[in-house]
Amino acid sequence: EAGVTQFPSHSVIEKGQTVTLRCDPISGHDNLYWYRRVMGKEIKFLLHFVKESKQDESGMPNNRFLAERTGGTYSTLKVQPAELEDSGVYFCASSQDRTLYGYTFGSGTRLTVV
Amino acid sequence: AQSVTQLDSQVPVFEEAPVELRCNYSSSVSVYLFWYVQYPNQGLQLLLKYLSGSTLVKGINGFEAEFNKSQTSFHLRKPSVHISDTAEYFCAVTPASGGSYIPTFGRGTSLIVHP
Repeated sequence: EAGVTQFPSHSVIEKGQTVTLRCDPISGHDNLYWYRRVMGKEIKFLLHFVKESKQDESGMPNNRFLAERTGGTYSTLKVQPAELEDSGVYFCASSQDRTLYGYTFGSGTRLTVV
Repeated sequence: AQSVTQLDSQVPVFEEAPVELRCNYSSSVSVYLFWYVQYPNQGLQLLLKYLSGSTLVKGINGFEAEFNKSQTSFHLRKPSVHISDTAEYFCAVTPASGGSYIPTFGRGTSLIVHP
């Protein structure tokens, strides 16, 4: 089966610009998660979708971040306007159930804000 | 709430030498424990997990980890490493009950295997 696909793999943008990250989960996986890792720090949870609904968005840092999951398929994470501290690697994961051992991670999008 | 501490940010080791990557956790409830590996330009892959039962858990690529409840540790070991083991390793925990399965990750340990 195809894995979790994220694109772009890298993005360099200027402070104040907008960036949209996309995640295509494994087909049939209702659960989709976004995580972020700032350089040298922990991988932090951002939010969790079940199908098209946001189940938990407690990790979203502020209202500059907007996540959507159209029709319960792919998901986008938009950062508008981007700030320097938004730099990091954004991971997406999907699963059929809600346990960590069922996760499949994408390879991440490395976002650099300059 | 849970927390995970990976004390070593980088572990350099020579090929065929043994290695131990340390992970300690803190939690007020029972937890499940995991090690994930991220090879360059790839996503995180599950290396092994502890859910219950035997405290010695064997994973892929010859890795194993031992759950020590009294020391709240879950150290990862391999008796003889290869160049291909060069990667970043993440320890993670989730509550074993309570409905919220959102994991808490450590900061990661970069394993660098030298020839």
